Amino acid sequence: GIQVEQSPPDLILQEGANSTLRCNFSDSVNNLQWFHQNPWGQLINLFYIPSGTKQNGRLSATTVATERYSLLYISSSQTTDSGVYFCAVSYNQGGKLIFGQGTELSVKP
Amino acid sequence: SAVISQKPSRDICQRGTSLTIQCQVDSQVTMMFWYRQQPGQSLTLIATANQGSEATYESGFVIDKFPISRPNLTFSTLTVSNMSPEDSSIYLCSQRNLRTDTQYFGPGTRLTVL
Repeated sequence: GIQVEQSPPDLILQEGANSTLRCNFSDSVNNLQWFHQNPWGQLINLFYIPSGTKQNGRLSATTVATERYSLLYISSSQTTDSGVYFCAVSYNQGGKLIFGQGTELSVKP
Repeated sequence: SAVISQKPSRDICQRGTSLTIQCQVDSQVTMMFWYRQQPGQSLTLIATANQGSEATYESGFVIDKFPISRPNLTFSTLTVSNMSPEDSSIYLCSQRNLRTDTQYFGPGTRLTVL
């Protein structure tokens, strides 16, 4: 089955710093989503981005489908950005989402 | 966006007992899924909840241990049966909007088995 690898596994930042999280996938996908799991366990949708680039405030994401990777950019990080960031993919319409192992981000004041 | 509710939000149970988790979604244009997140781990799909028929289980998960119902398009239940401490996890209900192909998650049920 399709493999999803995220890097780095964990990251510690000072407040105000920028970061880039990476998601590699082993096969063609038609669905790619980024999620943020906050310290209370809630999974929040960040982006639906099977291809192209999107921006939402301090966050942006780019997926290069032909090269099978996606990047999540966090600029001017805040302590509320702490948590685990997951990339998830599926390779058919309505198919199950397969999750990567996540990147645990800790933003220090 | 989507509105998904789950209950209970958390529970502490004794080994050998069963717990049923309920999930309500706000859209009929949807697929519903159940995931498990063991402590410190990523999310693993348990099954796809099919309306009016048996759920489709992933490898490693069986109906006897995790019976699932979906009596209508917006409601599903997951039962964790004959629990052991290894079942201590967060269980998450999820819906996929079939028009946008975007998937959303409920707040989760945090289960501890003693």
